[in-house]
Amino acid sequence: QSVLTQPPSASGTPGQRVTISCSGSSSNIGSNTVTWYQQLPGAAPKLLIYSNNQRPSGVPDRFSGSKSGTSASLAISGLQSEDEADFYCAAWDDSLNGSVFGTGTKVTVL
Amino acid sequence: EEQLVESGGGMVQPGRSLRLSCAASGFTFDDYAMHWVRQVPGKGLEWVSGISWNSGSIAYADSVKGRFTISRDNAENALYLLMNNLKTEDTALYYCAKDFRWRRLAVAGGSFDTWGQGTLVTVSS
Repeated sequence: QSVLTQPPSASGTPGQRVTISCSGSSSNIGSNTVTWYQQLPGAAPKLLIYSNNQRPSGVPDRFSGSKSGTSASLAISGLQSEDEADFYCAAWDDSLNGSVFGTGTKVTVL
Repeated sequence: EEQLVESGGGMVQPGRSLRLSCAASGFTFDDYAMHWVRQVPGKGLEWVSGISWNSGSIAYADSVKGRFTISRDNAENALYLLMNNLKTEDTALYYCAKDFRWRRLAVAGGSFDTWGQGTLVTVSS
């Protein structure tokens, strides 16, 4: 049972900006950094954002992350067809003493 | 190129045991913490366990605590997950994942930059 809540779906047309929210609590997002992963159909997850807003090399700057209080957001600007995937947020939870993932958001490019 | 290859999955009856392995290559294995993450097909990701580079810090999800044991052999560049007393709800694709932070002493707060393709564990009678 996930402790980080995401909307089940999000969509947009090519070129649009899409935002995905991730809601947690003081024991996870409120006190630790947030990571975002992208999972393309049939593939393993891929690291997209770490430390709330940092992109690994090779990740386009169309992807950006932010955090405020006990919530975080992932924004995809200039949406492209290849962005269709499931997106997951994650954070360490001090109360559970373990990592927790969000419920996941499926992004559809219309 | 960094690579992780899981093995050891299969079908097993409830209550039995299984040991998963993850072979690492393309990076200095003993510099990084490692984790296991599972995913029921068609469902979300669930973190299972993590181990620091020197095995000094280990953590488990509550759902597997007391039943699963994570370990690593730095000389063999290998990560393991011993799963005892398996339950039907342990059925999932199990991924091995590398923490991108160099020689962090704790497994807490990691971000996973390299993933394997997973090995499927099916627990059924």
